Amino acid sequence: DADVTQTPRNRITKTGKRIMLECSQTKGHDRMYWYRQDPGLGLRLIYYSFDVKDINKGEISDGYSVSRQAQAKFSLSLESAIPNQTALYFCATSVAVSNQPQHFGDGTRLSIL
Amino acid sequence: AQKVTQAQTEISVVEKEDVTLDCVYETRDTTYYLFWYKQPPSGELVFLIRRNSFDEQNEISGRYSWNFQKSTSSFNFTITASQVVDSAVYFCALASSGSARQLTFGSGTQLTVLP
Repeated sequence: DADVTQTPRNRITKTGKRIMLECSQTKGHDRMYWYRQDPGLGLRLIYYSFDVKDINKGEISDGYSVSRQAQAKFSLSLESAIPNQTALYFCATSVAVSNQPQHFGDGTRLSIL
Repeated sequence: AQKVTQAQTEISVVEKEDVTLDCVYETRDTTYYLFWYKQPPSGELVFLIRRNSFDEQNEISGRYSWNFQKSTSSFNFTITASQVVDSAVYFCALASSGSARQLTFGSGTQLTVLP
């Protein structure tokens, strides 16, 4: 089983709908992150959480919200989806040390029509 | 603010050629960490290597090697004798120990290895 699991893997929805992307991990890491990937832009940080009570905005948080339900679970919500939120979304985890790599889920491909 | 630049958007080589992927970074922190990730066509992100700012030793792992030069703020990645399976998008990333505490990615380089 994957250490970092994202659900769903693919989603197509309509403008204005509320969407939730879920991430769960079995690595025991304290830190969790949500990124989006757009062609030619690399990965950009949406939100990050250093523990259940510590949630922070990243570079592009507008239009998104998150919930850290437990150490192992970190959900990303789009309250009212819009077409320019069409992207590949990644969840990642890491230990609480800056020099350690982040471990990524397999991604959720989200299309908003 | 920190920044990572991967100026090569796409590179194509023929199998068995050597190829170098460039990465230039900017940060005001004196302690920082550099990473390379691989994203194959299947889409997942695979961690390849981490380098600390205070360790300028180059590293070799099989056909992969990394050249870190603080003087030019570069952390380049070379694949020797490339193979078709090396075809992927490669990302360079930077994390600082300072207040940013975030991983900043370059825009990636699409490497295509032709048979």
